[in-house]
Amino acid sequence: QVQLVQSGAEVKKPGASVKVSCKTSGYTFTNYYLNWVRQAPGQGLEWMGTINPSGGSPYYAQKFEGRVTMTRDTSTSTVYMELNSLRSEDTAIYYCAREGGLAVVNFDYWGQGTLVTVSS
Amino acid sequence: DIQMTQSPSSLSASVGDRVTITCRASQSISTYLNWYQQKPGKAPKLLIYAASSLHSGVPSRFSGTGSGTDFTLTISSLQPEDFATYYCQQSYSNPRTFGQGTKVEIK
Repeated sequence: QVQLVQSGAEVKKPGASVKVSCKTSGYTFTNYYLNWVRQAPGQGLEWMGTINPSGGSPYYAQKFEGRVTMTRDTSTSTVYMELNSLRSEDTAIYYCAREGGLAVVNFDYWGQGTLVTVSS
Repeated sequence: DIQMTQSPSSLSASVGDRVTITCRASQSISTYLNWYQQKPGKAPKLLIYAASSLHSGVPSRFSGTGSGTDFTLTISSLQPEDFATYYCQQSYSNPRTFGQGTKVEIK
């Protein structure tokens, strides 16, 4: 069965960086894009960007351009999201989500989420 | 960016009620519209894709309609496990924006 398992919670100080992992299994890793979505406490869902595990450049939401880096490791079927220059507003749960669908893209499987807390 | 606006932001309903949530896009997105359900402390789950197609394993009491800019999610007979927050999302273009969410609470 398809599984996306994320790394554990992180506590970071303002200005630091965080790197969250998302290990996939149960399907062919290179056949599906992976996305990152975050959710601040009590707030809605915010799409951050997408990466093609087969290669090519990731696509980032403009809001995060210059601060986020998405990478992948095909040997372990894992994608990573690194966010730099953290500020308190980056406190959120970060989710990875597989991009399914043939004609209409959708996020059909999600990781369990990783809480990132930014606090001095 | 395409803006997605849901209404209402929250609603109270009873078990057995018919519930309708609407989602409006700031420009035409054809049927590039998905619906997700999120329960407290859990990741979102895909309910409906391409405006009206039910995701595998989703009960048939959930249905979606619409195209262009106006969409609806309907729960035909609300069940206790349906109390949650629902989000629409457009996949017409990047960034893949979400609506602000509709919280369905117990009356």
